[in-house]
Amino acid sequence: GAVVSQHPSRVICKSGTSVKIECRSLDFQATTMFWYRQFPKQSLMLMATSNEGSKATYEQGVEKDKFLINHASLTLSTLTVTSAHPEDSSFYICSASPTGFAGELFFGEGSRLTVL
Amino acid sequence: EDQVTQSPEALRLQEGESSSLNCSYTVSGLRGLFWYRQDPGKGPEFLFTLYSAGEEKEKERLKATLTKKESFLHITAPKPEDSATYLCAVRDAGNNRKLIWGLGTSLAVNP
Repeated sequence: GAVVSQHPSRVICKSGTSVKIECRSLDFQATTMFWYRQFPKQSLMLMATSNEGSKATYEQGVEKDKFLINHASLTLSTLTVTSAHPEDSSFYICSASPTGFAGELFFGEGSRLTVL
Repeated sequence: EDQVTQSPEALRLQEGESSSLNCSYTVSGLRGLFWYRQDPGKGPEFLFTLYSAGEEKEKERLKATLTKKESFLHITAPKPEDSATYLCAVRDAGNNRKLIWGLGTSLAVNP
């Protein structure tokens, strides 16, 4: 199956710093990537839809200035958590769809962010 | 409001003990129901897509079925390596780029 690589898998940072997470589709071109956040015992929460060459579409309640998303190429999207605080600690997962629609998504392995 | 409810929340089986997981959904016009498997600390892995009532899909020990109100994931003679959280999602009726997710069923298969 298609492979989506996400890096780093774990990151620990101090409060106030920024953290960048990369998501790459390795064997197909992804015009659309999706960024999710997952809390323990809660369902996946879509944060934003990232479109190659254009601005990301953020879900209601997600601060776009806090979570900067860049989709500069058909194989790379990045999520930057700016001025991170402990409440931003979570599991962040990216996914990509060969069709551009949500459905049969290929997910990265996730990034566990811990903000001290 | 579109909604996905999965049951049970957790299930513990003995190796070889078959069972079923349930995914109930309410959506105005189903445009796809999706099953995923998620291992601890990993991203979900796609399993099946179902589009219409009566449709069935199989993969190894797993079989997914669909009715007008719910989907079942049948696990036949499970093995310990089938232990994972199984997630169900439906495509949002108003947005093709969004899935509505259930909370998942955490399955543990004891040897």
